Amino acid sequence: EAGVAQSPRYKIIEKRQSVAFWCNPISGHATLYWYQQILGQGPKLLIQFQNNGVVDDSQLPKDRFSAERLKGVDSTLKIQPAKLEDSAVYLCASSLGHFFSPLHFGNGTRLTVT
Amino acid sequence: GENVEQHPSTLSVQEGDSAVIKCTYSDSASNYFPWYKQELGKGPQLIIDIRSNVGEKKDQRIAVTLNKTAKHFSLHITETQPEDSAVYFCAASVGTGNQFYFGTGTSLTVIP
Repeated sequence: EAGVAQSPRYKIIEKRQSVAFWCNPISGHATLYWYQQILGQGPKLLIQFQNNGVVDDSQLPKDRFSAERLKGVDSTLKIQPAKLEDSAVYLCASSLGHFFSPLHFGNGTRLTVT
Repeated sequence: GENVEQHPSTLSVQEGDSAVIKCTYSDSASNYFPWYKQELGKGPQLIIDIRSNVGEKKDQRIAVTLNKTAKHFSLHITETQPEDSAVYFCAASVGTGNQFYFGTGTSLTVIP
């Protein structure tokens, strides 16, 4: 099966600019996650979708981050305006959403804010 | 919410030796514990997982043990090889919401 696709792989922007990341999950996976991974740390959940509804966005900085999941499939994560501390790898993951369903990760987008 | 601690943060072993990584969790409702391997420039990949009703699970050179009473679980890699060098993450999940909480990672280096 095709894995989780993410684009772009790398992005460099200046602070206060905006940026968007795209994710296409594994076909049939109901649950989609966006994680932020700062260098040397574990992934931190930003938002979780079940189909096209939000399950958990408690750690999403809503003043600058937004996310949507179109028709319960693809998803985009946007940052506007970006800050230096947003420099990180943004990982998208998907799962079947059943009990004991593991996460399947994409290769991430490495964002550098200068 | 759940808090997952992982130790050690770095681990170096000689090729052929065993490596052990330990994690503890705080939420007794957590019932699913996957382990992920992350190579440079790639996303984490699932290598093994265990459910709370099982004490141990093995897959070739990799094994995971779970002690629910003590709320800790461990990854064991035997006969390590250079290609085992990577960052390993443990995670805990409360099955009802499929929410996953990750440890801070262990950078494993296998010295040829």
